[in-house]
Amino acid sequence: NAGVMQNPRHLVRRRGQEARLRCSPMKGHSHVYWYRQLPEEGLKFMVYLQKENIIDESGMPKERFSAEFPKEGPSILRIQQVVRGDSAAYFCASSPVVGSGNTIYFGEGSWLTVV
Amino acid sequence: AQTVTQSQPEMSVQEAETVTLSCTYDTSESDYYLFWYKQPPSRQMILVIRQEAYKQQNATENRFSVNFQKAAKSFSLKISDSQLGDAAMYFCAYTGTASKLTFGTGTRLQVML
Repeated sequence: NAGVMQNPRHLVRRRGQEARLRCSPMKGHSHVYWYRQLPEEGLKFMVYLQKENIIDESGMPKERFSAEFPKEGPSILRIQQVVRGDSAAYFCASSPVVGSGNTIYFGEGSWLTVV
Repeated sequence: AQTVTQSQPEMSVQEAETVTLSCTYDTSESDYYLFWYKQPPSRQMILVIRQEAYKQQNATENRFSVNFQKAAKSFSLKISDSQLGDAAMYFCAYTGTASKLTFGTGTRLQVML
């Protein structure tokens, strides 16, 4: 049973370019979460999605960032016109059902470097 | 809003000894879950242990155990017989009625020979 799969693991973008990070949840999981970890900091919640729905995007920056989880295919975190401050590790996580306490499983992260 | 506080940025322990990492949280919810995650140099987030708030019994997983003090809103992690592979960042996390996790700032654990 494969875990949460993220790709690319490492991504380098120049300022102003777009970054797309992909996440395939664990088999049987229909809930996806994106977290961001800045250097030397903890993980910060960005967005929570179910298939075709954004449930909670309270942690998403208002501009340049968007996320989707289509009916078919992986979840995508899209960052437009990247800036140096977007350099971070982006973690995807999934859980089987909604509800407090369902263990959330993390992928290995995608490291974005903006040069 | 819920908050999670880890007041120890760094800790060290001798191999085979015991170490306790502290975590406190603030919430007005009655039903919630607490977690400890380990992040080794590979940066992967690995679940170490979880605790249901409604359970009085402290969770244990092999060499890892917690001291859950609900009234004090304290959730410390004890690592017994520390091993070199335990060296990592440890994050305390909370989840309540919302499904998202709120993390503390982490404690970096060094294991000395």
